[in-house]
Amino acid sequence: GAGVSQTPSNKVTEKGKYVELRCDPISGHTALYWYRQSLGQGPEFLIYFQGTGAADDSGLPNDRFFAVRPEGSVSTLKIQRTERGDSAVYLCASSFFSGSTHEQFFGPGTRLTVL
Amino acid sequence: DAKTTQPNSMESNEEEPVHLPCNHSTISGTDYIHWYRQLPSQGPEYVIHGLTSNVNNRMASLAIAEDRKSSTLILHRATLRDAAVYYCILVTSGTYKYIFGTGTRLKVLA
Repeated sequence: GAGVSQTPSNKVTEKGKYVELRCDPISGHTALYWYRQSLGQGPEFLIYFQGTGAADDSGLPNDRFFAVRPEGSVSTLKIQRTERGDSAVYLCASSFFSGSTHEQFFGPGTRLTVL
Repeated sequence: DAKTTQPNSMESNEEEPVHLPCNHSTISGTDYIHWYRQLPSQGPEYVIHGLTSNVNNRMASLAIAEDRKSSTLILHRATLRDAAVYYCILVTSGTYKYIFGTGTRLKVLA
């Protein structure tokens, strides 16, 4: 079946611009996660959704970052006034339930480059 | 969150077994040990997880030390497709947050 998909696969923007990154989770998965991965590092947790609500946004670096999941399926990560330091691969994952024994399925990521 | 320590890189010959170590000396009794791997230009993918007992699945085996302060991911016959970064992650029971380290980059030699 279809896995987690993310669009666009690559995004190049200029400093100060607004960007939106989209994640389509696996159908039926209630939990959705966003991570950010810088070069040479492991993924870093950003935010977790259970259904439509953000259950944990403790990983968002500052208020320029925001994410929504209005219908409990597709999610959009929004970054305002982008900075060069925001350049990274943004990964989305989903799972049937959240929890320590439930596998997270990751998408291929969106590579964001801020010039 | 309990942390894990892994070697930065390892090499293996094709079709030979590979033992990838992970130290987690501050593990608590409710922490599950998860392994994920990340192939080039892809998101991480699940490999295996366990709590106390050794685990086997179609991809790998997980050997957990009796004191749970270390574990080893075993790939029984490495192939070129197994070249990836392998992450050992502790996940506390009832939580969902993965704290990734820098992982072990496995190189498989033909």
